[in-house]
Amino acid sequence: AQSVTQPDIHITVSEGASLELRCNYSYGATPYLFWYVQSPGQGLQLLLKYFSGDTLVQGIKGFEAEFKRSQSSFNLRKPSVHWSDAAEYFCAVGPYSSASKIIFGSGTRLSIRP
Amino acid sequence: DAGITQSPRHKVTETGTPVTLRCHQTENHRYMYWYRQDPGHGLRLIHYSYGVKDTDKGEVSDGYSVSRSKTEDFLLTLESATSSQTSVYFCAISDFEDTSTDTQYFGPGTRLTVL
Repeated sequence: AQSVTQPDIHITVSEGASLELRCNYSYGATPYLFWYVQSPGQGLQLLLKYFSGDTLVQGIKGFEAEFKRSQSSFNLRKPSVHWSDAAEYFCAVGPYSSASKIIFGSGTRLSIRP
Repeated sequence: DAGITQSPRHKVTETGTPVTLRCHQTENHRYMYWYRQDPGHGLRLIHYSYGVKDTDKGEVSDGYSVSRSKTEDFLLTLESATSSQTSVYFCAISDFEDTSTDTQYFGPGTRLTVL
């Protein structure tokens, strides 16, 4: 079955510290992978997506993610977090040709410690 | 920001009553989607539309119907609301279905409580 797992429900990091949010997927075909961010009371915003090529993907707001096929992972990273990064982050997987088939993970809530 | 509005933004209703949520876009995008967001489940697709009067079911369509009579509006109806439909509902739009070349843009959400 196709699925996305985000093992960490809630993470707290100190402002200025590095961040890594984990995402593991199970997908029968070539996966196309996404990270979204949801600020409190807002809709989702696309941070980055991976389809092919370089396995290290750069996104907006200083985020990057690395696709590791051997580990079925697509972890999100940021070298130094800011208080404004506090939000919920969703990993998603789907086929390249169909937005209606995207499967979302359950999300990781990020809190920032001053 | 993409021009997507949802109305109402908050609604409390009683079990058994009909409820209609509206999504309105000003981007002239062809595809529109309705998702629900529940703790521990992320977002799940309810229905989507690929054009005026063209709709299809998503993963969790039972108990919901949709209509799209104009490009800019996509309505989600709960014919007889149940407590299990208490959720936050998000509308999304995209110009193409191909996610390799396009991006989904999400509205601000509607929080629905069914008592």
